[in-house]
Amino acid sequence: DAEITQSPRHKITETGRQVTLACHQTWNHNNMFWYRQDLGHGLRLIHYSYGVQDTNKGEVSDGYSVSRSNTEDLPLTLESAASSQTSVYFCASSERSGGRTDTQYFGPGTRLTVL
Amino acid sequence: GDSVTQMEGPVTLSEEAFLTINCTYTATGYPSLFWYVQYPGEGLQLLLKATKADDKGSNKGFEATYRKETTSFHLEKGSVQVSDSAVYFCALNSGGSNYKLTFGKGTLLTVNP
Repeated sequence: DAEITQSPRHKITETGRQVTLACHQTWNHNNMFWYRQDLGHGLRLIHYSYGVQDTNKGEVSDGYSVSRSNTEDLPLTLESAASSQTSVYFCASSERSGGRTDTQYFGPGTRLTVL
Repeated sequence: GDSVTQMEGPVTLSEEAFLTINCTYTATGYPSLFWYVQYPGEGLQLLLKATKADDKGSNKGFEATYRKETTSFHLEKGSVQVSDSAVYFCALNSGGSNYKLTFGKGTLLTVNP
């Protein structure tokens, strides 16, 4: 069955370190998204990609970067981790078919703690 | 810009009670509307959706009707179960070349036996 996976599921790191969160989907979807989930804020979009070599900033992109070298993967990098980036991170993907009707499929999440 | 407002929780109900979670939206164009559910420790999954005015989405006993005149998409279930305890998110996609979802802040539902 097609799926979307994230790794690691839990990560503890120190302030100032570089951290990369992996996202891999086997749906062969064109669109991929990274969100962070925080109490009182719901889900906020960090970065997204509509295809290989395409990346775009979301509403909370400062301190984060992504690259898309193939269809299946969209890794999220925190260049220099800060305590404000302690959160649960979700990756999602969708086809580029119906546009506004497309369903997004979510991974299980990565809980990141920055000490 | 696009925005979604949903009722703040937490909502606590007894088993077999009626559930309503309110959701209203602001959007350009003609959005599609979604309800996603997040069970404890899991990612979000689609619960139901509606893509045009007066459409009713339904799944697992949950229903929501796309009301353009009131810009609403309220989630209802006639008889909740303990297994429905989760966080519920209302979301929209306003379309065009935009494939992004705009989410509400989520409503935590707890159902007690």
